[in-house]
Amino acid sequence: EDQVTQSPEALRLQEGESSSLNCSYTVSGLRGLFWYRQDPGKGPEFLFTLYSAGEEKEKERLKATLTKKESFLHITAPKPEDSATYLCAVHGSSNTGKLIFGQGTTLQVKP
Amino acid sequence: DAGVTQSPTHLIKTRGQHVTLRCSPISGHKSVSWYQQVLGQGPQFIFQYYEKEERGRGNFPDRFSARQFPNYSSELNVNALLLGDSALYLCASSLLRNTEAFFGQGTRLTVV
Repeated sequence: EDQVTQSPEALRLQEGESSSLNCSYTVSGLRGLFWYRQDPGKGPEFLFTLYSAGEEKEKERLKATLTKKESFLHITAPKPEDSATYLCAVHGSSNTGKLIFGQGTTLQVKP
Repeated sequence: DAGVTQSPTHLIKTRGQHVTLRCSPISGHKSVSWYQQVLGQGPQFIFQYYEKEERGRGNFPDRFSARQFPNYSSELNVNALLLGDSALYLCASSLLRNTEAFFGQGTRLTVV
């Protein structure tokens, strides 16, 4: 069964304190792993797509990496405006266009 | 560039009523998907439409239906609303079926 699990569920950091969010996935034939940022009450905002193990993508203070079983979202020297819920998703094996999401990691960065 | 637009942004309905939610995809995108998100969880897949045909359906009852129009906009319909249908309904558009999906701001549906 296709599955995405994110950890931790919640993370509190001080401004400037770097950390990583984890996304473990189980899917037959990965056709893309996606990271999104979601602010309260709003739709997810696309961040990155990763397709193959070893691939890395960067955007400002965020860097996403991919292995055969998991992905990491590294946050370097975070700022309070990075506070949000970060969602990870993969396309399901059934080729229905379905994205399977994890439950998200809620990040709070304190000044 | 106009992103994905959804209407209305908020909606309050009574149990048993029917609701229609609307979505306009990014210009040039041919795929529209619908998701339901309840508080504290990730979005759950409801439907995908591509080139005006249903290409995928999630584990939702037949009370949920959707369609895609010739201009690629889409409607999600929910009949006989239940309290448990209260959620944020998200529309996502993508260029093709399995490329990056871009989400709208969502429609917050409250069933009372």
